Amino acid sequence: DTEVTQTPKHLVMGMTNKKSLKCEQHMGHRAMYWYKQKAKKPPELMFVYSYEKLSINESVPSRFSPECPNSSLLNLHLHALQPEDSALYLCASSQDRGGNSYEQYFGPGTRLTVT
Amino acid sequence: SQQGEEDPQALSIQEGENATMNCSYKTSINNLQWYRQNSGRGLVHLILIRSNEREKHSGRLRVTLDTSKKSSSLLITASRAADTASYFCATDTGRRALTFGSGTRLQVQP
Repeated sequence: DTEVTQTPKHLVMGMTNKKSLKCEQHMGHRAMYWYKQKAKKPPELMFVYSYEKLSINESVPSRFSPECPNSSLLNLHLHALQPEDSALYLCASSQDRGGNSYEQYFGPGTRLTVT
Repeated sequence: SQQGEEDPQALSIQEGENATMNCSYKTSINNLQWYRQNSGRGLVHLILIRSNEREKHSGRLRVTLDTSKKSSSLLITASRAADTASYFCATDTGRRALTFGSGTRLQVQP
């Protein structure tokens, strides 16, 4: 199974709402990632988890809160977002065996709209 | 900040023609990867080339890497309409994280 799943596919939320994005993989990968992608732009790294521990936070505002409950699951909790946070949020996973990066497997993304 | 810049930003060709995309980056890398993204969807890994490799092939794809010029190219031969997508290079600078280039939007006309 080489699939990364993300739910929901689409999400519309108000600036006062709290919501969560979910990501799941069953490839035994121990590195998981959250990216944010605006239209016609490349993905921008937000967070990296390695063996369920947060290893990279790219200075992301605290209204985004990641969580890795176990090696297969990755969540992104959203609270008090701004309209400029509207974007495609992509989850990815890869092997993690040392200093090099390996190919990443991406989910289809969650299209988030903040109103 | 972006590590890589790609050119052209957009490319339109006829089916059967070859498509070449270029990527330049700024700092030393462990490896460089190419990904494809169909409109509004997740990315698909195409090929990984390590810093000690100069050329790699996978089906209709050919990737070259010139670390002295800090540049890479992706060649798609005999293109098909299904190759229409955005293509991104991504560099690994040893952080165990990728930094994506600006991307090339490829349109293959049937």
